[in-house]
Amino acid sequence: GNSVTQMEGPVTLSEEAFLTINCTYTATGYPSLFWYVQYPGEGLQLLLKATKADDKGSNKGFEATYRKETTSFHLEKGSVQVSDSAVYFCAPLPYGNNRLAFGKGNQVVVIP
Amino acid sequence: DTAVSQTPKYLVTQMGNDKSIKCEQNLGHDTMYWYKQDSKKFLKIMFSYNNKELIINETVPNRFSPKSPDKAHLNLHINSLELGDSAVYFCASRNRNTEAFFGQGTRLTVV
Repeated sequence: GNSVTQMEGPVTLSEEAFLTINCTYTATGYPSLFWYVQYPGEGLQLLLKATKADDKGSNKGFEATYRKETTSFHLEKGSVQVSDSAVYFCAPLPYGNNRLAFGKGNQVVVIP
Repeated sequence: DTAVSQTPKYLVTQMGNDKSIKCEQNLGHDTMYWYKQDSKKFLKIMFSYNNKELIINETVPNRFSPKSPDKAHLNLHINSLELGDSAVYFCASRNRNTEAFFGQGTRLTVV
């Protein structure tokens, strides 16, 4: 089956700091990989995705590269803003599989 | 136009009651999901339907019963509500190998 591991604990950082959230996964075949973001009081929304090895997904200054050799899809942003405060979820979706399961999520708090 | 809509947004009810949450999507997707999000933001998949057929049924108490009257709707009925059922429930939909779209969530509080 597929599973995903995100780094432990909330992340607190100052505005304009560099953000990294690690994500590693196990999945059969070649999964599509997603990062979702959940702003306070809202549902999840897609942040970015990558569908094959070495693809880079990017959106709103965030980036993540599909690393098949390390089964990772780490999320990065070079300069965070207060408005980036949210919970971030990593999710692999194996090809032809409907089981879209999420990591535990990382609460990111950006302080001015 | 809302893509995935859930009703109600908030639901407060007493222990032992039976309640339903409704979900509708207007995206033409063929797969729909129910997720439960606890207070620590952990998102647990509960059920998934594909073209009205149940395809994922995780370890969920049988007090929870999903129903999909058609491809665009997936409802969740909960019998004999317990305190531990308090959570935010999310509906989502997607097509094959594409990303999922989520509703705004239903915050269920059992008192």
